[in-house]
Amino acid sequence: EVQLVETGGGLIQPGGSLRLSCAASGFTVSTNHMSWLRQAPGKGLEWVSIIYTGDNTYYAHSVKGRFTISRDSSRNTLYLQMNNLRAEDTAVYYCASRMTTVVSPLEAYVFDIWGQGTMLTVSS
Amino acid sequence: DIVMTQSPDSLAVSLGERATINCKSSQSVLYSSNSRNYVAWYQQKPGQPPKLLIYWASTRESGVPDRFSGSGSGTDFTLTISSLQAEDVAVYYCQQYYSTPPTFGQGTKVEIK
Repeated sequence: EVQLVETGGGLIQPGGSLRLSCAASGFTVSTNHMSWLRQAPGKGLEWVSIIYTGDNTYYAHSVKGRFTISRDSSRNTLYLQMNNLRAEDTAVYYCASRMTTVVSPLEAYVFDIWGQGTMLTVSS
Repeated sequence: DIVMTQSPDSLAVSLGERATINCKSSQSVLYSSNSRNYVAWYQQKPGQPPKLLIYWASTRESGVPDRFSGSGSGTDFTLTISSLQAEDVAVYYCQQYYSTPPTFGQGTKVEIK
């Protein structure tokens, strides 16, 4: 069974740092384009970052320079390092990917597999 | 960034009736080179992650019931639930993947009347 499991969320003070993890099973993070998305409480979906199989990375304007996406093939895990956290970063963070063969880079933004999410609260 | 605007924000439909959700993009998401519209639709139930329903504006994801259909081209798109079932109560989001960053509509909440 294909599964993504996010961990690492919690309560952190503004300005703090945290790393989220997304462990994959039945699925290889290194051979699939992997994204992080988030959803603030009661709000809609926001894409955060992507790491392509070729290691190219992209970020939303709101997190660029503060967040870093990476992966560890040996652990089959995706990460999101978050620095200088702000109250507006409070959200459920999901990792997601496209299992179906991706022909063009933009198709990597169609998400057919999602984790259950991990909640991050940034508050003093 | 491309802005996706959904309407209505919520709607209540009787069981077995049709539900229609509209989505408008701030610029065309139709690639002329392949004649494809880079729009997807997702369903999100409370406490769950989103579920992909439709991509390429009208291609149903495997396993999605055929009462769900997508249509539209250019800047105007529609998700239709032909005969609403109780299990379809959810929030529905459109998304463009024509350009980075991919962006979502604000969501439409579908309830039973």
